[in-house]
This record gives sequence, C-alpha cells and structure tokens, in this order.
Amino acid sequence: EAGVTQFPSHSVIEKGQTVTLRCDPISGHDNLYWYRRVMGKEIKFLLHFVKESKQDESGMPNNRFLAERTGGTYSTLKVQPAELEDSGVYFCASSLWTGGRDNSPLHFGNGTRLTVT
Amino acid sequence: SQQGEEDPQALSIQEGENATMNCSYKTSINNLQWYRQNSGRGLVHLILIRSNEREKHSGRLRVTLDTSKKSSSLLITASRAADTASYFCATDAILTGGGNKLTFGTGTQLKVEL
Repeated sequence: EAGVTQFPSHSVIEKGQTVTLRCDPISGHDNLYWYRRVMGKEIKFLLHFVKESKQDESGMPNNRFLAERTGGTYSTLKVQPAELEDSGVYFCASSLWTGGRDNSPLHFGNGTRLTVT
Repeated sequence: SQQGEEDPQALSIQEGENATMNCSYKTSINNLQWYRQNSGRGLVHLILIRSNEREKHSGRLRVTLDTSKKSSSLLITASRAADTASYFCATDAILTGGGNKLTFGTGTQLKVEL
C-alpha cells in the first residue's frame, strides 16, 4: 500500500509570505494528524482530523495556521503570513479510526522541511 | 512541558553490541510507543506497549515499561549499521473523538559503527 505522502519535501520562503503544505494519508485512514518539529526541540502535536472534521486543534500555534481536510481525503496546512519561528519540519500522519482506547499506530510521512528567511 | 524525555541524547556503539535507550514521562498513559526516524525520513512505528504490560518483544527489540517510575526502555540487541537512526518514545492521550495525540520526547540519536 502507498504510504503517507507529503508535498513539498522542502520549502524556502520569506517572512510574510504564504505557504501551503499538503498531506495525502493512507487510503482508508480516517484519522489524520499534523505534527511539527522545530529545530532541536521535540515533535509537537498540532491537530487531528477524523475524516473532514477537526477533532482537536489545541496544538495549533496561532491563527496564522489553517488546516483543512475537505472531503475527508487529503489535508492542507496553510501558514499565512509565515514568521521566522515557523521554520521546522512538518509531519503528517494517519491511522485507522478504531473509536476506542486501542489506538492504532501512526503512519508518518517524510515531512515538509519549511525554512522561513 | 515535555512529556517524554529520552536518555541518552546520543549513543555510539559498535555493530553487534546492544543499545539501550531510556524514556521518562510525567503523566498517566494509555500506552507508550517507540518510533524510529532515519535522516530525512518520517517516523516509523516500532512497538507499542500498553500501560498494563511490563515487557514486550519484537524481533531484536525489547521494551520495558515501569508505570510506577513512569519510565520505559528500548533495547536493541545485536545492533547493525542499519539501526543508525533517531529513536523517539511517545505517550498518548486519548482524544475526544478517538485517535492518538502523541507526546514525543526529543529523541536519542543512535549511531552504529562497523
């Protein structure tokens, strides 16, 4: 089966510009997550979709970040306007929805390395 | 605050030796998971241990969990050069809509030399 794919793999933009990251989860995975790793720090949860619905966006840094998952398939994460501190690696992950406490492992994409200059 | 903290931050060993990485966490968990990340790639799930389990094996991997000490260890036996990667522990919090909200540590960078 195809894994989680993310596009682009790298993005270099100037402060104030807009960037949109895309994630295609594994087919059939209703759960879709965005995580971020800022240089030298831990990987942090941003938000979680079940199908097209946002279940938890408590990790989103501020309102410059907007995530969507129209139709419950692929997801986009837009940063507008980008700031220097937004630089890092943005990971997308997906998993089967079990509806219970027996959580399925997450399948991660290779990430998008975002550099804001 | 950081939930999972790995120790050591970096580990360099010779091929064939065993590698042990430790993880400590702060809050109650449902399960603890270990992931591996090769440079420039995504995280790959290695093993999951539930809060009511104390030890789990998968191939050359052995994971222990001590909920009283809020700690876990990952042992890789007979290491290979291909095991060179960063290893992360992650603890979960059940989201209201199901699913995982994993809290990761900063990871252990393992280097296995020939």
